[in-house]
Amino acid sequence: NAGVTQTPKFRVLKTGQSMTLLCAQDMNHEYMYWYRQDPGMGLRLIHYSVGEGTTAKGEVPDGYNVSRLKKQNFLLGLESAAPSQTSVYFCASSYRWEQFFGPGTRLTVL
Amino acid sequence: AQSVAQPEDQVNVAEGNPLTVKCTYSVSGNPYLFWYVQYPNRGLQFLLKYITGDNLVKGSYGFEAEFNKSQTSFHLKKPSALVSDSALYFCAVREERNTPLVFGKGTRLSVIA
Repeated sequence: NAGVTQTPKFRVLKTGQSMTLLCAQDMNHEYMYWYRQDPGMGLRLIHYSVGEGTTAKGEVPDGYNVSRLKKQNFLLGLESAAPSQTSVYFCASSYRWEQFFGPGTRLTVL
Repeated sequence: AQSVAQPEDQVNVAEGNPLTVKCTYSVSGNPYLFWYVQYPNRGLQFLLKYITGDNLVKGSYGFEAEFNKSQTSFHLKKPSALVSDSALYFCAVREERNTPLVFGKGTRLSVIA
């Protein structure tokens, strides 16, 4: 079991560029989440999904889009990156009470 | 809306001494509470959870937490701190199973040899 994996691990973008972060889980979990972590802010929820084909907005959804075409994958897209989106992004999946986190993607937007 | 407060940004403790990392919560219904730990450049690791039952919950690496409903607190404790416990600790809450966790801002624990 790989658990929750994220690609890429690091990325540097220029303002206005687009990219997609991929999250994959092999635990057959229905629920998946994208968070961003910023110093002194904790983890804030961007978007989440309660199952294949469904998505919902979290606390800080602006500037991001998501898709859940397959149960095991949850994609986070940045259409036009901004320096304010410089952050560490964590994906998670959950079963009942526990959330399992991926290793994170460190994104820098110049 | 549910929320979590971690009142201390930084906690320093000498190795071998007991440690406490504080957490208070606010929910409209029953709280389901969690502690996670993050080591440098790593993801979050689950430490322990309170769902129901005994107010004292035991978790990984010798950590425990006490649920206090009247004080709306869920403080993380360890009887004897190790240098290797130095990390960033997050308290989190949810009101229902499989809903997103809401996290506190984190407390950085530094254990000094």
